[in-house]
Amino acid sequence: SQQGEEDPQALSIQEGENATMNCSYKTSINNLQWYRQNSGRGLVHLILIRSNEREKHSGRLRVTLDTSKKSSSLLITASRAADTASYFCATVVFYLSGGYNKLIFGAGTRLAVHP
Amino acid sequence: GAVVSQHPSRVICKSGTSVKIECRSLDFQATTMFWYRQFPKQSLMLMATSNEGSKATYEQGVEKDKFLINHASLTLSTLTVTSAHPEDSSFYICSARLGAPSGYTFGSGTRLTVV
Repeated sequence: SQQGEEDPQALSIQEGENATMNCSYKTSINNLQWYRQNSGRGLVHLILIRSNEREKHSGRLRVTLDTSKKSSSLLITASRAADTASYFCATVVFYLSGGYNKLIFGAGTRLAVHP
Repeated sequence: GAVVSQHPSRVICKSGTSVKIECRSLDFQATTMFWYRQFPKQSLMLMATSNEGSKATYEQGVEKDKFLINHASLTLSTLTVTSAHPEDSSFYICSARLGAPSGYTFGSGTRLTVV
């Protein structure tokens, strides 16, 4: 099951420009995470923002979280060709019967950064 | 950092045969591992949660008799696609949870092609 939608589905920009990706989710969360996936590869954890945080930075990444709107955004500043990848938000859903958390992904944004 | 090793990275099999995919946690113990399936240009869909020493928990719509999961030790979980059909061709990724702020760590994925 997917937690929510991401927009845009695809984004094409030039090197040096900023890239903004948005994510919406459906349930209450403890935290929201962003991951990156290069084509045909596994996922790399980028950043985690807790539900009581509104903004977080890591290098050229800036993540915001609006729990009232159940949405988050990922901003990549001064993009590079190497940033070309798919980006996914993910939320943790507690599975009551099993007593553990499951990580559920949004639809993802495919980012292409052109030299 | 914590690494999950997934093998094989690619496999081609004939329709009707079975394929086993392994996921190992290399430097930590993973009591719970997660198996995802990803179709081209789509998001990761959680298939099942693998629990060491007990039965796996399958998501709605996932056939447990077709996708056999075994988690016999704290460092190894396997997914066996039984009687594979072309529609099972997909990218399969395993994951294990790490403590915050690291989120989850992922294997590099297995590209399964059923011919």
